[in-house]
Amino acid sequence: KQEVTQIPAALSVPEGENLVLNCSFTDSAIYNLQWFRQDPGKGLTSLLLIQSSQREQTSGRLNASLDKSSGRSTLYIAASQPGDSATYLCAVNLWAGGGNKLTFGTGTQLKVEL
Amino acid sequence: DAMVIQNPRYQVTQFGKPVTLSCSQTLNHNVMYWYQQKSSQAPKLLFHYYDKDFNNEADTPDNFQSRRPNTSFCFLDIRSPGLGDAAMYLCATSRDGTVYEQYFGPGTRLTVT
Repeated sequence: KQEVTQIPAALSVPEGENLVLNCSFTDSAIYNLQWFRQDPGKGLTSLLLIQSSQREQTSGRLNASLDKSSGRSTLYIAASQPGDSATYLCAVNLWAGGGNKLTFGTGTQLKVEL
Repeated sequence: DAMVIQNPRYQVTQFGKPVTLSCSQTLNHNVMYWYQQKSSQAPKLLFHYYDKDFNNEADTPDNFQSRRPNTSFCFLDIRSPGLGDAAMYLCATSRDGTVYEQYFGPGTRLTVT
């Protein structure tokens, strides 16, 4: 059974810092990995999707890397801002039967302070 | 423009009283998903529709059912809600294929009294 772990569970940083969030998974036979952002009491916003054949994806200040063989992904946030405060979730897809069946980690709760 | 819409955003029901949550999408995606997310936990997939084909997860309780009358709409029915079913229910959609990301709605917060 696929297990997804995110470390740290919570993180507080001053504005302007660069930071790295970690995601690890136990079964490396994934088709893709997706990073999401969740604000309190809200739904999930997709940030980046990395296919198993890719090593990284970038969107603005965000960069996600994937090392499938070691079962790890990182989300790098450059020049953090208070508006980045949210919970960040990673999710892996093991299934290619049509669509994606995602297994989520429990997330990293990020607080960026002024 | 809203792409995945969930109604209601907040739902209060009584123990044992059936409840239906609604999801609609304007993306014309052929795959729709329902997730349950309890407080401080990871979202957990309950089931999904690939077009009209229903796919239930092995550990989804029988108390949870779903209907998809057309491409745009999908419903989550909880036949006899228990206190343990209080959670955020998230609907998501995607196109067919592993290269496509999932798009989530804002969720419905269910309270069981």
